[in-house]
Amino acid sequence: EPEVTQTPSHQVTQMGQEVILRCVPISNHLYFYWYRQILGQKVEFLVSFYNNEISEKSEIFDDQFSVERPDGSNFTLKIRSTKLEDSAMYFCASSEQPNEKLFFGSGTQLSVL
Amino acid sequence: DQQVKQNSPSLSVQEGRISILNCDYTNSMFDYFLWYKKYPAEGPTFLISISSIKDKNEDGRFTVFLNKSAKHLSLHIVPSQPGDSAVYFCAASANSGGSNYKLTFGKGTLLTVNP
Repeated sequence: EPEVTQTPSHQVTQMGQEVILRCVPISNHLYFYWYRQILGQKVEFLVSFYNNEISEKSEIFDDQFSVERPDGSNFTLKIRSTKLEDSAMYFCASSEQPNEKLFFGSGTQLSVL
Repeated sequence: DQQVKQNSPSLSVQEGRISILNCDYTNSMFDYFLWYKKYPAEGPTFLISISSIKDKNEDGRFTVFLNKSAKHLSLHIVPSQPGDSAVYFCAASANSGGSNYKLTFGKGTLLTVNP
């Protein structure tokens, strides 16, 4: 079965540094998403992306965050200046239709020290 | 603001018996509901979904029931198997209006199926 691929699986960074989390969505999907889960808390929506632009974003997705689809296959999440509270598991997802049967990647565990 | 609530953090059942996982929601704009299963160190995996125009959807051992008037849905797994042991998330979206690109998740219920 096709799958969403995320790299790296773990990322450790110093506070204030920039990080880029990478994702390869399923090839025929048109809708892309980033979610995150802080340890012990629920999975939270960050942003959705369709037709090369942001469709919707949450209040978490402030000016420090950005997303990009630099080519036909990759979808990236950039955090410009990381904070301690950005430590979480970040999940990329994709779907054929909006919000129907999202396929999630295995996540990137981001640790900000 | 918990718009999707899973009030039972954990559930333990015997292999072969029925597992019933419950979910409540408060946002009346939600019209599409999904259940995801998550194993440790993996992303959530889609299980089953239901539109608000239905009150039941079945797929093999998994059945989801929706009670719109009570704003309640449940996932039934029968018979339960040890491999079903995982965290189960309920999620909802407002596809007909409002936030139609965003899933709102509950906190999850850890299901343990004992052999």
